[in-house]
Amino acid sequence: DQQVKQNSPSLSVQEGRISILNCDYTNSMFDYFLWYKKYPAEGPTFLISISSIKDKNEDGRFTVFLNKSAKHLSLHIVPSQPGDSAVYFCAASEQNYGQNFVFGPGTRLSVLP
Amino acid sequence: DAGVIQSPRHEVTEMGQEVTLRCKPISGHNSLFWYRQTMMRGLELLIYFNNNVPIDDSGMPEDRFSAKMPNASFSTLKIQPSEPRDSAVYFCASRGLEKTQYFGPGTRLLVL
Repeated sequence: DQQVKQNSPSLSVQEGRISILNCDYTNSMFDYFLWYKKYPAEGPTFLISISSIKDKNEDGRFTVFLNKSAKHLSLHIVPSQPGDSAVYFCAASEQNYGQNFVFGPGTRLSVLP
Repeated sequence: DAGVIQSPRHEVTEMGQEVTLRCKPISGHNSLFWYRQTMMRGLELLIYFNNNVPIDDSGMPEDRFSAKMPNASFSTLKIQPSEPRDSAVYFCASRGLEKTQYFGPGTRLLVL
């Protein structure tokens, strides 16, 4: 049973518009979340994180929103750029449990020029 | 900083052969993780070490898989004997005091 779900395998967005990537989780004990970006033939790279004590975290063009009651988080990219085209993974963990992150299956974002 | 280094980047082998994947974590990081990525199962944690000690190996698929971390700067993941279903991309990641894991470029393994 997938504890972290990314229900959209792919997403296409026009350059300059907003990209919204969604992630849902089932384990209510998860309290720390990260987004990773992955280009082909490279390892995932860290993008942004959020702790459950917050509902929003912003870093430049990237903003992550957390809705704990809905067990849902989303990554907003504004404005989207062609270089943002990659696979985006959502990951979750219990801070007090240890270091094990559970990853979602990823969403492939294509930003069209 | 060179980041997490993995070798080889690509490995093609025949069923039944032994495969050894290598990882050098970022200097100063005290946790190391081995992941496997497949189309069917996505990114799965196989095992992780803290201060060179294996903490959780529940993700290791079966006894054919073994991992070691003889010192803080080196780890291996071994598959013996390898099978076609082991074909995947294997990632190593390391972590320091903060929660972010830094991934290596991965080893693409193909078992024929």
